[in-house]
Amino acid sequence: GNSVTQMEGPVTLSEEAFLTINCTYTATGYPSLFWYVQYPGEGLQLLLKATKADDKGSNKGFEATYRKETTSFHLEKGSVQVSDSAVYFCALSLTGGGNKLTFGTGTQLKVEL
Amino acid sequence: SAVISQKPSRDICQRGTSLTIQCQVDSQVTMMFWYRQQPGQSLTLIATANQGSEATYESGFVIDKFPISRPNLTFSTLTVSNMSPEDSSIYLCSVEGLGTGSDGYTFGSGTRLTVV
Repeated sequence: GNSVTQMEGPVTLSEEAFLTINCTYTATGYPSLFWYVQYPGEGLQLLLKATKADDKGSNKGFEATYRKETTSFHLEKGSVQVSDSAVYFCALSLTGGGNKLTFGTGTQLKVEL
Repeated sequence: SAVISQKPSRDICQRGTSLTIQCQVDSQVTMMFWYRQQPGQSLTLIATANQGSEATYESGFVIDKFPISRPNLTFSTLTVSNMSPEDSSIYLCSVEGLGTGSDGYTFGSGTRLTVV
């Protein structure tokens, strides 16, 4: 079956620190990969996505590269801000449309001054 | 991407009662998905709702507990029946992005349910 494994949180960083949140996946086909973000008290928002191997998704200074050889999609940001404090979910879906998302357990990020 | 209006945004309910959550999309979509997010946990798919047919439920979820309606291509409801405190969660509806699943999925803002 399909599954997503994320590093456990919470991750606590100082402002302007470098962020990495690890995500690896298992899939029976060729999935699309996503990072979603959930700010306190809000719903999920798509942060970035990648649909095939070696694609790099990027948004708001965050990046993630689809690595087929290591089945990974690690989220990175060079300099985090307090406003980045949120829960980050890695997810996959199989291409072809109409397929459900499979989520990781989420990683809480806390950024302090 | 699609815009989803979900309501209510939150509710506090007595055990044994039922709550119906509504999800309205601003464009026609084939599939709508209902998720549950228990406190401190990730999202779990409850069911997939197709217009004109019965919803497809994931393992561990049954129609009697979570009946779903899908009367047209822009609207769906999820009912949480005979509630207990264990049903306290955030419930979210979701639709696939316009085009293909690779466009990403749009989520409603969620319904935060507390059962007392």
